[in-house]
Amino acid sequence: GAGVSQSPSNKVTEKGKDVELRCDPISGHTALYWYRQSLGQGLEFLIYFQGNSAPDKSGLPSDRFSAERTGGSVSTLTIQRTQQEDSAVYLCASTYGGGTYEQYFGPGTRLTVT
Amino acid sequence: AQKITQTQPGMFVQEKEAVTLDCTYDTSDPSYGLFWYKQPSSGEMIFLIYQGSYDQQNATEGRYSLNFQKARKSANLVISASQLGDSAMYFCAMREFLNTGGFKTIFGAGTRLFVKA
Repeated sequence: GAGVSQSPSNKVTEKGKDVELRCDPISGHTALYWYRQSLGQGLEFLIYFQGNSAPDKSGLPSDRFSAERTGGSVSTLTIQRTQQEDSAVYLCASTYGGGTYEQYFGPGTRLTVT
Repeated sequence: AQKITQTQPGMFVQEKEAVTLDCTYDTSDPSYGLFWYKQPSSGEMIFLIYQGSYDQQNATEGRYSLNFQKARKSANLVISASQLGDSAMYFCAMREFLNTGGFKTIFGAGTRLFVKA
């Protein structure tokens, strides 16, 4: 079946503009995660959804970052007033359930803020 | 706070030899899960292996095995019979269960593995 998809694959934006990144998880997966990976770095946890609710938003770097999930499916990560330090690959992952289930990652969105 | 440490930024291994990638973790939670992921140059994250904190035996998946030493809080990945296609970045990760009923995953900084022909 289809894997996790993300769009756009690449996004170049000017400093100060808002961007929306989309994640379409695997059908039936209840949990969805957003991570950020800066160049040459590991993955930084941003936010996690169980269904449509986000029990843990502690990883969001600032109040310029927000995310929502609707219908227990598609999620959107919004970055307002982008800064150059927001440049990174934003990865989305989904999982069928909690605990031991592996996370299936999408291909990521490479965001470049100029 | 939970933490994952990978002390080897880069490793070299000869093709067909075995290699061990180190990972130590720190948590006060008795229930946790440990994962290894592979990230080739193409960028996708590929799940390799999982070890639960209550699992009695070390996890194995094909050429991958996880050397789980709970008392030492280490979860090293062993790749046997290395292949050229194993050249990639490898991340150790830990799943932390949350009071909200869910969990989040934290990742180490990664180890870049180079397999030599």
